[in-house]
Amino acid sequence: QVLLVQSGAEVKKPGASLKVSCKASGYSFSRNAMHWVRQAPGERLEWMGWVNPANGDTKYSAKFQGRVTITSDTSTSTTYMELSSLRSEDTAVYFCSRDRGPTGFSHWGQGTVVTVSA
Amino acid sequence: DIQLTQSPSFLSASVGDRVTITCRASQGPSNYLAWYQQKPGKPPKLVIYAASTLESGVPSRFSGGGSGTEYTLTISGLQPEDFATYYCQQLNTYPLTFGGGTKVEIK
Repeated sequence: QVLLVQSGAEVKKPGASLKVSCKASGYSFSRNAMHWVRQAPGERLEWMGWVNPANGDTKYSAKFQGRVTITSDTSTSTTYMELSSLRSEDTAVYFCSRDRGPTGFSHWGQGTVVTVSA
Repeated sequence: DIQLTQSPSFLSASVGDRVTITCRASQGPSNYLAWYQQKPGKPPKLVIYAASTLESGVPSRFSGGGSGTEYTLTISGLQPEDFATYYCQQLNTYPLTFGGGTKVEIK
């Protein structure tokens, strides 16, 4: 079965950078793009961007452009999301989710809790 | 960006009730509209995609409808496990966007 396992919780100081991983199994990794979505406390889900592991293509939300980098490593079936210049508003749970085209996000990682605090 | 507005934001209902949640879009997502159920501390779970298609394994008491800029999620006969927060999502245009959520609580 499809399984997405994310790295553990992080505590960061303002101005630092963050790197969260998402290891996929149970399917051919290069066949599906991987999205990253975050959810700040009490807020709606927010799409950040995706990477196509087959060719490394990426697409980012304009809100995060310049601060986010999403990459993939086909040798380990792992996707990474890096977010720089962290601020308190980046405190959130970060999720990876496998692309299924326009038919919704059917598989999600368990979420990584990120706290940004001085 | 396509803005999605859900109503109500909070709904109190009893087991067995029929409830309907509405998602209004600032521009039509061409029926590329999905609904998710989320429980505390868990990732969202896909319930409906393409506006009205039930995701595999989801009980048939869930149904989706609508077109254009207005879509609905209906739960016919609420069960205890259905008490959760529901979000709509449009997958037609980047950036992909989500609604603000509807929390369904036990009356």
